[in-house]
Amino acid sequence: DAEITQSPRHKITETGRQVTLACHQTWNHNNMFWYRQDLGHGLRLIHYSYGVQDTNKGEVSDGYSVSRSNTEDLPLTLESAASSQTSVYFCASSNAKGLAGYGYTFGSGTRLTVV
Amino acid sequence: GEDVEQSLFLSVREGDSSVINCTYTDSSSTYLYWYKQEPGAGLQLLTYIFSNMDMKQDQRLTVLLNKKDKHLSLRIADTQTGDSAIYFCAESQSSGDKLTFGTGTRLAVRP
Repeated sequence: DAEITQSPRHKITETGRQVTLACHQTWNHNNMFWYRQDLGHGLRLIHYSYGVQDTNKGEVSDGYSVSRSNTEDLPLTLESAASSQTSVYFCASSNAKGLAGYGYTFGSGTRLTVV
Repeated sequence: GEDVEQSLFLSVREGDSSVINCTYTDSSSTYLYWYKQEPGAGLQLLTYIFSNMDMKQDQRLTVLLNKKDKHLSLRIADTQTGDSAIYFCAESQSSGDKLTFGTGTRLAVRP
């Protein structure tokens, strides 16, 4: 069965370290997204990609970067982790040609703590 | 920019109806969604509505859209303890495109 997986599920890192969160999907979706979830803010868009070699900044992109070298993966990198980046991170993918709403799938999330 | 707002908390008695409200500012929103998030889990799509619709019903769920006031609501009939979760409304301008989420409403169902 097709799926979208995030790793790791939990991570603790130190301020200033570079951290990469993995997202892998086997839906063959063109679109991939990274969101962060914080209390009182809901989910906010960090970066997104409409296909290989395409990346775009979202609402809260400062301090984060992504790259899209293939269809399946969109890794999220925190260049120099800060305590303000402590959050739960969700990856999602979608097929623009799919039935509205139901072509959108979310990963289970990565809980990142920066100490 | 886009802004989607929800009240933070709702408490209802088991068996009653729940109504969760959402307001949005982007008049070009084409698709409006309701997602459910259970503790420690990802997001599950409950239902969606096109902006040219006023209402959509799906079993215990009824979605109402007032496009003039940019107001979206989700009614859950016969609310059960399993409905306790955080509910997010979201909007997008096209199918499969980036979503703008509301702040989320925590629904607590008491016996």
